[in-house]
Amino acid sequence: GAVVSQHPSWVICKSGTSVKIECRSLDFQATTMFWYRQFPKQSLMLMATSNEGSKATYEQGVEKDKFLINHASLTLSTLTVTSAHPEDSSFYICSARDLTSGRAVPDTQYFGPGTRLTVL
Amino acid sequence: QQPVQSPQAVILREGEDAVINCSSSKALYSVHWYRQKHGEAPVFLMILLKGGEQKGHDKISASFNEKKQQSSLYLTASQLSYSGTYFCGTGGSNYKLTFGKGTLLTVNP
Repeated sequence: GAVVSQHPSWVICKSGTSVKIECRSLDFQATTMFWYRQFPKQSLMLMATSNEGSKATYEQGVEKDKFLINHASLTLSTLTVTSAHPEDSSFYICSARDLTSGRAVPDTQYFGPGTRLTVL
Repeated sequence: QQPVQSPQAVILREGEDAVINCSSSKALYSVHWYRQKHGEAPVFLMILLKGGEQKGHDKISASFNEKKQQSSLYLTASQLSYSGTYFCGTGGSNYKLTFGKGTLLTVNP
């Protein structure tokens, strides 16, 4: 299957700082990527859809000024958690649709390995 | 609208079979099945797009009913490596996925 990477794998930061998480599609181009958040023992909750070359679309209840998304190229989307607080501690996962490699069934989303954020 | 998964949890002995269901009150565009192990990201298992579709790989298969309101995941002759939380994700025309609450599968020796 298609490969999606995330960096960093984990991060610990102090309250009030900003944290940037990168999501890359390694062997295909992704015009659309998705960002999810997952709390322990809970389901994945979609936060926003990242669109290459245009603004991200956020799900209801997600603060766009707090969770900044930039889709700079066809292989890279970044999520910046601004002024992070302990309640932002979570597992953040990105996914991407593989439309260019020819290997995937259309609509399939491949997930990155996730980034565990801990805010002290 | 979040799909409903059942059961919430199941415990098996190695070699036993299991069925996980995913249902919705309205017709779905697609159903996506993933398995997630603790501390890791979800791994794609399969996607179903057509009513009445059935597909499988190795000893894991899935079906999508004719009305496209229910999907089932079948795990045959379970292995220890099958342990994890299984999520179904229902897709819309905008390609967004809405995930169920998950089914925790534990396979014991």
